[in-house]
Amino acid sequence: DTEVTQTPKHLVMGMTNKKSLKCEQHMGHRAMYWYKQKAKKPPELMFVYSYEKLSINESVPSRFSPECPNSSLLNLHLHALQPEDSALYLCASSQSGSNQPQHFGDGTRLSIL
Amino acid sequence: AQKVTQAQTEISVVEKEDVTLDCVYETRDTTYYLFWYKQPPSGELVFLIRRNSFDEQNEISGRYSWNFQKSTSSFNFTITASQVVDSAVYFCALSVGSWGKFQFGAGTQVVVTP
Repeated sequence: DTEVTQTPKHLVMGMTNKKSLKCEQHMGHRAMYWYKQKAKKPPELMFVYSYEKLSINESVPSRFSPECPNSSLLNLHLHALQPEDSALYLCASSQSGSNQPQHFGDGTRLSIL
Repeated sequence: AQKVTQAQTEISVVEKEDVTLDCVYETRDTTYYLFWYKQPPSGELVFLIRRNSFDEQNEISGRYSWNFQKSTSSFNFTITASQVVDSAVYFCALSVGSWGKFQFGAGTQVVVTP
């Protein structure tokens, strides 16, 4: 079992829907991450939160909106997505610092119709 | 800029054979960290090992071993006596700076058949 919990595991939505992906960790980590992973590709970083503040946005389109309500929770709000946004969305957490391993959740498999 | 190269796209072996995965990295930073992750078909990335740029000691953990050589900018990973459960995609990653921003390699798919 992973220590980073993501819900839902699967999500199918239309291009006009609004949905949210949720991520929770209870390891006391102060950095949290969203990644997008297409099939047979490595994960691509989308956002980094450090101490509940957004520290990195990798030029992600505004139809993806992250939120960090507290140190244990990370959300990704989705609106007006495109078919090419279909992917595995991974959440990770770590202690702050580049030397820290990131611990990943199981991911949410997102399909846009 | 940082770069990680995993030249092997896929490696297929029969159970009990050894498998070595190559990872070559590029960075101008003198302080950096290298990681290996395993991604089974279920999707989650599982952390396997971390190495920092100051520590060139090789490491063995059960059937896994890692060979870090700064002179060739390589951080290779060997699975000894492979098992079917080792079938997964393995990623090498490089981290520099203060933000924990990983540069992943393209990944190597390992297929172990009985």
